[in-house]
Amino acid sequence: NAGVTQTPKFQVLKTGQSMTLQCAQDMNHNSMYWYRQDPGMGLRLIYYSASEGTTDKGEVPNGYNVSRLNKREFSLRLESAAPSQTSVYFCASRARGGTEAFFGQGTRLTVV
Amino acid sequence: KNQVEQSPQSLIILEGKNCTLQCNYTVSPFSNLRWYKQDTGRGPVSLTIMTFSENTKSNGRYTATLDADTKQSSLHITASQLSDSASYICVVSQNSGTYKYIFGTGTRLKVLA
Repeated sequence: NAGVTQTPKFQVLKTGQSMTLQCAQDMNHNSMYWYRQDPGMGLRLIYYSASEGTTDKGEVPNGYNVSRLNKREFSLRLESAAPSQTSVYFCASRARGGTEAFFGQGTRLTVV
Repeated sequence: KNQVEQSPQSLIILEGKNCTLQCNYTVSPFSNLRWYKQDTGRGPVSLTIMTFSENTKSNGRYTATLDADTKQSSLHITASQLSDSASYICVVSQNSGTYKYIFGTGTRLKVLA
């Protein structure tokens, strides 16, 4: 049982480049989340999807877009990367009626 | 403002010693509180959940407490092991139509041999 899988694990981008972070879960969870984790700060919510077909902005959505492709997959896109987006990105999922967030292993993104 | 504050920021202890991590929160409405363990380079993993009516809950060498009146929680680690070296994150959930998590900044624990 893989749980939540994120790809890639590491990525270096030049300022202005675009990329998509992929996330897939095999637990049949309804809700999926994208967070970023920066030194000295708690995880901050970028976007979330309460169910297939819906997405909503979180605390820090600027510069990002998301797609809930199907129930399993929730991708995060950076259209024009900026150095301020250097961070570790985590995808998480939660079952309907559940309380626990299950996290992927993270993507470490560096924008130079 | 919904906030979760943790202390200390970092902690170094010798293997075999006990330690206690603190979490204070101002989150309303409160649904539950979880402690997560995050190993370096990995995603957080849940250790224990506390609901409003629970005071103490143990998971092996980890014991969490919750005082809902003072809005404080603690995580006590007994007989620490090298594998306990990690960040410990306090997360408070609220469910007011939309389920939300509010994360603390974590306590970085290092256990030395």
